[in-house]
Amino acid sequence: NAGVTQTPKFRILKIGQSMTLQCTQDMNHNYMYWYRQDPGMGLKLIYYSVGAGITDKGEVPNGYNVSRSTTEDFPLRLELAAPSQTSVYFCASSSRPGGGNQPQHFGDGTRLSIL
Amino acid sequence: DAKTTQPNSMESNEEEPVHLPCNHSTISGTDYIHWYRQLPSQGPEYVIHGLTSNVNNRMASLAIAEDRKSSTLILHRATLRDAAVYYCILSDSWGKLQFGAGTQVVVTP
Repeated sequence: NAGVTQTPKFRILKIGQSMTLQCTQDMNHNYMYWYRQDPGMGLKLIYYSVGAGITDKGEVPNGYNVSRSTTEDFPLRLELAAPSQTSVYFCASSSRPGGGNQPQHFGDGTRLSIL
Repeated sequence: DAKTTQPNSMESNEEEPVHLPCNHSTISGTDYIHWYRQLPSQGPEYVIHGLTSNVNNRMASLAIAEDRKSSTLILHRATLRDAAVYYCILSDSWGKLQFGAGTQVVVTP
């Protein structure tokens, strides 16, 4: 089972460059999430989506954009990379949490360095 | 958002039980209590979750206080593979998770 797949696994960007972090899931989950994790810290929510065409901001959305055109894919876009965005990025998905608050399934992460 | 308080670290001997406490005094009536763990260089892994009643699964048990202001994750027999950071998290109705710093569990052979 593939679960949640993130690409690339590693990337180095120069300041001001743009890139898209890809996330896809094959579990037909409606809910998808993007988190970032700085060294020694817990994860912080960037954006989340409750279904195709619906997205909303999390705790730390500045400097990022998302889109959700299909159930499977939830890409995260960095438009003007800054050193403060150096982090490990995790994508997660879950089935509709209502009526039981389902667990989230996480990808292996993308390690991003901005120099 | 409701927050949780956990000890920074805990140590255990292999094959002994581990009890990880978590305080969440501002929990609301609809918040679920989730536990995830994160091994080095990996994404978080779901462990267990509950609302009011104690819960058991193949990985662990979750004991929830009657007033829901605290909970305890119980690993019945710690193995070296259980060494990880364990996060206690309150999940709102949208399923959003707010991670704290977690508890680093060290397992000694």
